[in-house]
Amino acid sequence: QKEVEQDPGPLSVPEGAIVSLNCTYSNSAFQYFMWYRQYSRKGPELLMYTYSSGNKEDGRFTAQVDKSSKYISLFIRDSQPSDSATYLCAINTDKLIFGTGTRLQVFP
Amino acid sequence: GAVVSQHPSWVICKSGTSVKIECRSLDFQATTMFWYRQFPKQSLMLMATSNEGSKATYEQGVEKDKFLINHASLTLSTLTVTSAHPEDSSFYICSARGVRGRYEQYFGPGTRLTVT
Repeated sequence: QKEVEQDPGPLSVPEGAIVSLNCTYSNSAFQYFMWYRQYSRKGPELLMYTYSSGNKEDGRFTAQVDKSSKYISLFIRDSQPSDSATYLCAINTDKLIFGTGTRLQVFP
Repeated sequence: GAVVSQHPSWVICKSGTSVKIECRSLDFQATTMFWYRQFPKQSLMLMATSNEGSKATYEQGVEKDKFLINHASLTLSTLTVTSAHPEDSSFYICSARGVRGRYEQYFGPGTRLTVT
């Protein structure tokens, strides 16, 4: 079983939609959860990180962790074409363990 | 803040030659730097971790004699791909972590290496 599992997509939504991106992880000891956005042929950009359970909101982005089900989510409200990118979840255990990334396409 | 640069952004080299990639933290001191490679439509794979002034720690399956990593200062790490082969062609990305942001890594823009 992989330590972090993420649906690779692609996910295609219309502009303005609410997007839900999800990952599951295997080790209940994990505490730090990260979300990165990567545009084509660029390095990943840190979007948000959360510690333990709960929600964290930053503008149109909300990160959510459910430790009981070992499930992490990133919600994007009012999605824009500029949000089209690959979104990577990662577990931070001193080193980053990445999911495979989900390709998101927001069309006008 | 937290800007990481890489140079070059794109390089083509011939088989058998060596190529050096630089990674710099521009506005913070990076006590730890990481090197990743990424194949098309795949996720990032950690190659090695380096701490300033120490030898790099390589992930399983990564040849340390082929991928030489030097982290000589708190703002600079280099990756040298020696005796490059076409299968080394990939996107190489570094990241840096400072003292304050223990659990935050900031990534460089990546270097695309093509070996002919």
